[in-house]
Amino acid sequence: GENVEQHPSTLSVQEGDSAVIKCTYSDSASNYFPWYKQELGKRPQLIIDIRSNVGEKKDQRIAVTLNKTAKHFSLHITETQPEDSAVYFCAAWTLGGAGKSTFGDGTTLTVKP
Amino acid sequence: GAVVSQHPSWVICKSGTSVKIECRSLDFQATTMFWYRQFPKQSLMLMATSNEGSKATYEQGVEKDKFLINHASLTLSTLTVTSAHPEDSSFYICSARYLSGGRQFFGPGTRLTVL
Repeated sequence: GENVEQHPSTLSVQEGDSAVIKCTYSDSASNYFPWYKQELGKRPQLIIDIRSNVGEKKDQRIAVTLNKTAKHFSLHITETQPEDSAVYFCAAWTLGGAGKSTFGDGTTLTVKP
Repeated sequence: GAVVSQHPSWVICKSGTSVKIECRSLDFQATTMFWYRQFPKQSLMLMATSNEGSKATYEQGVEKDKFLINHASLTLSTLTVTSAHPEDSSFYICSARYLSGGRQFFGPGTRLTVL
C-alpha cells in the first residue's frame, strides 16, 4: 500500500518568511496529492491540491510542487502570517480508484509575529 | 468546497453505553466515506473505509464489533461506538470522497468523552 512521509514535524518561522513542507510517497500509482490545514479542534480543510499531470500549482501565497520521478511533493507558503499557524497534512491517493487516502503525520507550523 | 456535516459535535457518556455519530454529505453524493480518530496533537488515524451499500473495511487493530459502521445511503454514514470506555475518548472525524477516488472533504468532528 501507499506510504506517505512528511517533514518536518514542526516548523517555526518569522512572519513574512516562507515555509516549506515536504512529503514523499511510495506508490507510483498515486496521482492526486492534496494538502490540508487543520486548526486546533477543527476539521482539516483542503487548501490546495495537485494532480500528477501537473508539476506546479499556485493559489495566491500557497503553491505546491510535484516531482513524480522522485515521488515527492512540497507545500510552499510565502509571506507567512500568524493566521497560517496550524497543522498541515499532505496526502496521496489514486483518483478514480477505490483505495483509501494516505495521510502524512502532519507538520505543526508556527508563525511568529 | 463540498459540505460534510457531523452530528453530534460533542458527546459525553457513561462507560458501557453506546454512542452513534452521523456523517452526512450535504451537497454531493459520497461513494466512499472514511472514519478517523485523532488524539491531541497527532495525525489522523484511519479507522475504516465505508462504501455505500457494502461492508466497511477496517484498518488493522480496529475492532469491527466495537466500532460499527453503516453506510446506508450515498449521503449518510454512521459510526456507533458500542460499550464505550474511557479509552475510547477521542476526536472522531469523518470524511466523504466526492466521486470515486475524488476530492475528500472532512466533517467538523465529534468530541467523545466517556466517563
